[in-house]
Amino acid sequence: DVKVTQSSRYLVKRTGEKVFLECVQDMDHENMFWYRQDPGLGLRLIYFSYDVKMKEKGDIPEGYSVSREKKERFSLILESASTNQTSMYLCASSLVARSNEQFFGPGTRLTVL
Amino acid sequence: AQSVTQLDSQVPVFEEAPVELRCNYSSSVSVYLFWYVQYPNQGLQLLLKYLSGSTLVKGINGFEAEFNKSQTSFHLRKPSVHISDTAEYFCAVSDQTGGSYIPTFGRGTSLIVHP
Repeated sequence: DVKVTQSSRYLVKRTGEKVFLECVQDMDHENMFWYRQDPGLGLRLIYFSYDVKMKEKGDIPEGYSVSREKKERFSLILESASTNQTSMYLCASSLVARSNEQFFGPGTRLTVL
Repeated sequence: AQSVTQLDSQVPVFEEAPVELRCNYSSSVSVYLFWYVQYPNQGLQLLLKYLSGSTLVKGINGFEAEFNKSQTSFHLRKPSVHISDTAEYFCAVSDQTGGSYIPTFGRGTSLIVHP
């Protein structure tokens, strides 16, 4: 059974803390994505990666960075967490072709106090 | 750039009634189309996808969707819903060639099935 796992389901952090969200996929997918999901706004792409050490900004990259040192792992980093980054974060992966669907992790609900 | 419109943010329906969730996209170029479902406190999972061929696509859990190129629509239907279908549904579109290869998602439709 194919899987995308995220390191935490729920996370509570304080303003100004550095936060790491980890995502691992076991499907040998080239593409990996980080989205945030907020009520009424749907999914918004933060960053994506199409290969190891490659990354591209999505629609809302401000305040975030990413790291992809190995093909199966894609990390999202909040350098200095702020309350407006309280959200649900979803990781996804896919094969490179446009016709391929994305596989999503269960999400991390991050609360920044 | 593509845009995807899910016309209803919320659709309440009684159990065993039929339902249609609407999705329209902006571009008339050739596209791939997807519907995903998100159950409470879970990630998204694929319901069905249209790549080519028959415009009527069948998916999991009794859902189906019809691709209409002239109306740039891909509406999702189920003839009889269950309480367990209560979830958030997302439509997504990818251009077949050119433009971004990242899929564009709609804002989602919350299907609420009442007993």
